[in-house]
Amino acid sequence: DVKVTQSSRYLVKRTGEKVFLECVQDMDHENMFWYRQDPGLGLRLIYFSYDVKMKEKGDIPEGYSVSREKKERFSLILESASTNQTSMYLCASSFYDRPFYGYTFGSGTRLTVV
Amino acid sequence: GQQLNQSPQSMFIQEGEDVSMNCTSSSIFNTWLWYKQEPGEGPVLLIALYKAGELTSNGRLTAQFGITRKDSFLNISASIPSDVGIYFCAGQDTGANSKLTFGKGITLSVRP
Repeated sequence: DVKVTQSSRYLVKRTGEKVFLECVQDMDHENMFWYRQDPGLGLRLIYFSYDVKMKEKGDIPEGYSVSREKKERFSLILESASTNQTSMYLCASSFYDRPFYGYTFGSGTRLTVV
Repeated sequence: GQQLNQSPQSMFIQEGEDVSMNCTSSSIFNTWLWYKQEPGEGPVLLIALYKAGELTSNGRLTAQFGITRKDSFLNISASIPSDVGIYFCAGQDTGANSKLTFGKGITLSVRP
């Protein structure tokens, strides 16, 4: 069963901590994405990557960075966590040249920053 | 970034009722997709539409790709309690690597 796996379902971190959210996919997808989801705001794209070591900013990159050292793994980094980064974070992946298949999402990481 | 228009934000229906949702855009898309997100999970693809005017069914779900390419509709017939969740529409341009544009989602509640 193909899937996107996010390392943690729930995380609680303190303000100012450096936070790593990990995502791994086993579908050999070229594209990987990080979204955050907040009530009433839908899915907002933070960063995406088309290839290893490549990254592009999405709509709300401020306060975040990413790393893609291997094709199957895409990490989201909160350099200094703040309470306004409390949210649900969703990772997704897709093929580069088969856009009609859409994205496959992970189950999400609910991050609380206290 | 651009978002698709989905409204209302929430819908409440009685078990057994049919429900219809629509999604509109100011831009043309060449693929429309509908996702469902159950509580505590990530969105899962329900239906994909690839051609203007296309009508596709998946069990009790039926979706249509609007003729203008600027809208899509999802119908759920004979709703059951497990239909609860957030329903997202998404549009995608052609091109090898175009990204999905999502609606904000509609939260569906089904009363037993």
